[in-house]
Amino acid sequence: NAGVTQTPKFQVLKTGQSMTLQCAQDMNHNSMYWYRQDPGMGLRLIYYSASEGTTDKGEVPNGYNVSRLNKREFSLRLESAAPSQTSVYFCASSGTSRGTEAFFGQGTRLTVV
Amino acid sequence: GESVGLHLPTLSVQEGDNSIINCAYSNSASDYFIWYKQESGKGPQFIIDIRSNMDKRQGQRVTVLLNKTVKHLSLQIAATQPGDSAVYFCAENYNFNKFYFGSGTKLNVKP
Repeated sequence: NAGVTQTPKFQVLKTGQSMTLQCAQDMNHNSMYWYRQDPGMGLRLIYYSASEGTTDKGEVPNGYNVSRLNKREFSLRLESAAPSQTSVYFCASSGTSRGTEAFFGQGTRLTVV
Repeated sequence: GESVGLHLPTLSVQEGDNSIINCAYSNSASDYFIWYKQESGKGPQFIIDIRSNMDKRQGQRVTVLLNKTVKHLSLQIAATQPGDSAVYFCAENYNFNKFYFGSGTKLNVKP
């Protein structure tokens, strides 16, 4: 049981390049999330998906797009990377009901130069 | 939640002592709270949760206290061990299933 799997683990981009961060969960969870974590700070919600086919903005959505490809997969895309997007990105998933914990992946460390 | 910038609050305790980590949450409508532990280079891991209809919940070596009047959570760790060294975050849930995180407290356990 892998839980939440993110790829890649590390990535370096040049300013203006694009890339997609992949996330998959095998827990049959309806809700999935993308967070970013900057040094010394908590996690900030970028986008979330309450169920397959739906997505919604979180606290810091600018510069990102997401796709809920199916129930298992939720991808995060940076269309034109900027140095301000240098961060560690975490994907998470949680069960159907409100009030269930979120399970996190191991993170993707992204550096934009 | 508001950021506290680059420097996390740090709590240093001696191995075997009890630790108390505090968190102020932002929304009085929050009805579910979680404490997460994050070790260096890893994603956050669930420790314990509590719903707003409770004041206290106990787990193995951990206790969470909730004071809704002042919007405050605390995490108590009994007999702190070196393996407890990590950053601890509280998270609140008030909007469907979105979780909002505090900025974290670094726990440093001295042997």
